[in-house]
Amino acid sequence: AQSVAQPEDQVNVAEGNPLTVKCTYSVSGNPYLFWYVQYPNRGLQFLLKYITGDNLVKGSYGFEAEFNKSQTSFHLKKPSALVSDSALYFCAVRDMGSASKIIFGSGTRLSIRP
Amino acid sequence: NAGVTQTPKFRVLKTGQSMTLLCAQDMNHEYMYWYRQDPGMGLRLIHYSVGEGTTAKGEVPDGYNVSRLKKQNFLLGLESAAPSQTSVYFCATDSSALRDRVKRANVLTFGAGSRLTVL
Repeated sequence: AQSVAQPEDQVNVAEGNPLTVKCTYSVSGNPYLFWYVQYPNRGLQFLLKYITGDNLVKGSYGFEAEFNKSQTSFHLKKPSALVSDSALYFCAVRDMGSASKIIFGSGTRLSIRP
Repeated sequence: NAGVTQTPKFRVLKTGQSMTLLCAQDMNHEYMYWYRQDPGMGLRLIHYSVGEGTTAKGEVPDGYNVSRLKKQNFLLGLESAAPSQTSVYFCATDSSALRDRVKRANVLTFGAGSRLTVL
């Protein structure tokens, strides 16, 4: 069965500092991995995805994520945080062999202080 | 182009009442999903559909039913609402095709959400 874990409910970072939001996953086959962001009272918006190839994936708004197969992780990163990055972030996984279901993590609230 | 539209946006029910949430999409996507979002629980998949006339259970299907009579619509029904079903419900779609490895990595398009309160 697929599963996704986001071990941190909240991450607090000062503006201008680098940020990391952690995600680990479990699938029976090879994974497709995604990060989505949710702003207040809105639906989720796509940030980036990993399919295959380069382990470092670049996405929207300066975010990137690193796929690590041995650690089954897909951490979201940004070199310099902005106050406007404050939002709820979700990691998600889709099993390549069972394409119909996408499973989400519990979410991490990112708070950037000025 | 509206994308994914959910109705209603807000609803308050009494325990035992029934209701239906409608998800409508104009993107001709094959796959449609219903998720519920609860604090600290993230998004949990209720039911999904891989095409017109098909439905399947997700992680938390109990207490819900779904129908996909038309490709563009995916209905989520609560036959007898319970307070535990108080949540924000999100519909999502994507154009994945089982036979297309690249398309299986398509992203989801979400509706704006429906906030349901059961008293």
